[in-house]
Amino acid sequence: KAGVTQTPRYLIKTRGQQVTLSCSPISGHRSVSWYQQTPGQGLQFLFEYFSETQRNKGNFPGRFSGRQFSNSRSEMNVSTLELGDSALYLCASSARTGSYNEQFFGPGTRLTVL
Amino acid sequence: GQSLEQPSEVTAVEGAIVQINCTYQTSGFYGLSWYQQHDGGAPTFLSYNALDGLEETGRFSSFLSRSDSYGYLLLQELQMKDSASYFCAITDSWGKLQFGAGTQVVVTP
Repeated sequence: KAGVTQTPRYLIKTRGQQVTLSCSPISGHRSVSWYQQTPGQGLQFLFEYFSETQRNKGNFPGRFSGRQFSNSRSEMNVSTLELGDSALYLCASSARTGSYNEQFFGPGTRLTVL
Repeated sequence: GQSLEQPSEVTAVEGAIVQINCTYQTSGFYGLSWYQQHDGGAPTFLSYNALDGLEETGRFSSFLSRSDSYGYLLLQELQMKDSASYFCAITDSWGKLQFGAGTQVVVTP
């Protein structure tokens, strides 16, 4: 079974621009979560989508948004980029949501904001 | 609010045993997970504890005490390939997964 894929793998943007990241989950997985990882900060939860509905949201500003399509693929959008948005953005899929949801992570998209 | 505390770094020699502690505070709790991440790699799932006690998977074991809001990951017979970051994560009662800042394990020859 193919793993979680994320595109692009690397991205360089300038302040004020916007960016869209894509995530394709493992076949059959309906839950997709997004995380931001920066050095020393661990993984910060952004949001989770399940069956095209946002199920949970972390403490990030409204510049961060996402969506999920009927085939479970998900996109994350960041508008008006700031220098502090430079990070590794990880997507993870799981077969279900709720109390136990083993996450399968993709390789991430490394975003650099100049 | 929610918070997780784990040590930032642990160093040990090959063949040794390492214990990574994780304490948490949350208003709702389903379970405690552990993930491993090598430099430049994606986090991979190691274990999940929903009930008190010890779960063993090969050289790795994970423990949970819900009454103490505490858990640990035990790495036995350390190998060089175990050098990585280890994250504890809690699943809260809304099904949201919150990660700790991670523990860097350095294995020396």
